[in-house]
Amino acid sequence: GQQLNQSPQSMFIQEGEDVSMNCTSSSIFNTWLWYKQDPGEGPVLLIALYKAGELTSNGRLTAQFGITRKDSFLNISASIPSDVGIYFCAGDLSGAGSYQLTFGKGTKLSVIP
Amino acid sequence: DTGVSQNPRHKITKRGQNVTFRCDPISEHNRLYWYRQTLGQGPEFLTYFQNEAQLEKSRLLSDRFSAERPKGSFSTLEIQRTEQGDSAMYLCASSSTADRTYEQYFGPGTRLTVT
Repeated sequence: GQQLNQSPQSMFIQEGEDVSMNCTSSSIFNTWLWYKQDPGEGPVLLIALYKAGELTSNGRLTAQFGITRKDSFLNISASIPSDVGIYFCAGDLSGAGSYQLTFGKGTKLSVIP
Repeated sequence: DTGVSQNPRHKITKRGQNVTFRCDPISEHNRLYWYRQTLGQGPEFLTYFQNEAQLEKSRLLSDRFSAERPKGSFSTLEIQRTEQGDSAMYLCASSSTADRTYEQYFGPGTRLTVT
């Protein structure tokens, strides 16, 4: 099936640092979404992107929908301990005629106080 | 709380037994989705409903799996003759059919362990 490649797989950062992670695919996506998942819980929607080039912020989080529609990135500014978790990108594959989301494997973020 | 709820949160069963999970979506959402997530992976799509109609099923949904949404509100996912490979987190999500329909909101999941 289609795959979304997320990088990095994991990262350790100091509290207060900025974080950047991205998601790429060989296929075009109509929609990009970013979720955060805590252990034992379901993913929580952070940001949704609907147009190529779109840049959207949600508090300290900023995400962009790549111009080629094959990638997206998520930035977190001034990280805090509660940012710890796994961040997933997800997308709606163009032309699939489906409402299913395809997910990446996640970026595990650890914040060192 | 008007979020998506799932029951039970945890289920341990012996191989060969049948299990059933329930999902209650956000009340105004008429699309409901089931996903499966294994360790170290992102959620994988299983099936989705619009109102009571099941409109799409993944090839991951073997014959032992069945999902229903009889009145277009809550949904159940049943697994018959469970196998150890069925051990996973089963996630339910819902969305509306408005213009932001791809914004799927997830429940806390049901963790299934097959021994």
